Amino acid sequence: NAGVTQTPKFQVLKTGQSMTLQCAQDMNHNSMYWYRQDPGMGLRLIYYSASEGTTDKGEVPNGYNVSRLNKREFSLRLESAAPSQTSVYFCASDRGETQYFGPGTRLLVL
Amino acid sequence: TQLLEQSPQFLSIQEGENLTVYCNSSSVFSSLQWYRQEPGEGPVLLVTVVTGGEVKKLKRLTFQFGDARKDSSLHITAAQPGDTGLYLCAGGSNQGGKLIFGQGTELSVKP
Repeated sequence: NAGVTQTPKFQVLKTGQSMTLQCAQDMNHNSMYWYRQDPGMGLRLIYYSASEGTTDKGEVPNGYNVSRLNKREFSLRLESAAPSQTSVYFCASDRGETQYFGPGTRLLVL
Repeated sequence: TQLLEQSPQFLSIQEGENLTVYCNSSSVFSSLQWYRQEPGEGPVLLVTVVTGGEVKKLKRLTFQFGDARKDSSLHITAAQPGDTGLYLCAGGSNQGGKLIFGQGTELSVKP
């Protein structure tokens, strides 16, 4: 039982490049989330998916898109990366009010 | 917009000291959670409090939810180096499982 997994662990991009961050959970949870974490700002919600086939914007959705591919997988796409998107990205899924987080993806945009 | 203000942002203490971290808001939350995060890893849930005035203890950690469900505190007794990490509070809303996170408190406990 791996919990929540994320790939890649690290990525360096140039401004304007695109990439997709992958997330998968094996706990049969309905809801999944994408957060970004920046120093002194806690975790900010980018997008979430309450169930397979639905997605909604969070607090900071600009510059991102998501896909809930199936119940297990929830991907985050940066179409044209900007230096302001340098951050650590966490995926999470939940059962009730407990969220389970992946190990994170560290992204540097030059 | 619901906001959670967490203080202090940084805390460096010696082993054996006590400390308290605060989480405050002007909004009412349905629940309040505390997470601990170690470097290079994702946050891990420590506790959830749901009732105003509720107090929960987890070994040397004591968590309290304010009577009005707008604030919470985390108290650590006799801190140990293993307590070092980032502590995050998170408020639950009535919008499904969405959480509002505080800015975090970086705790360093020196031997």
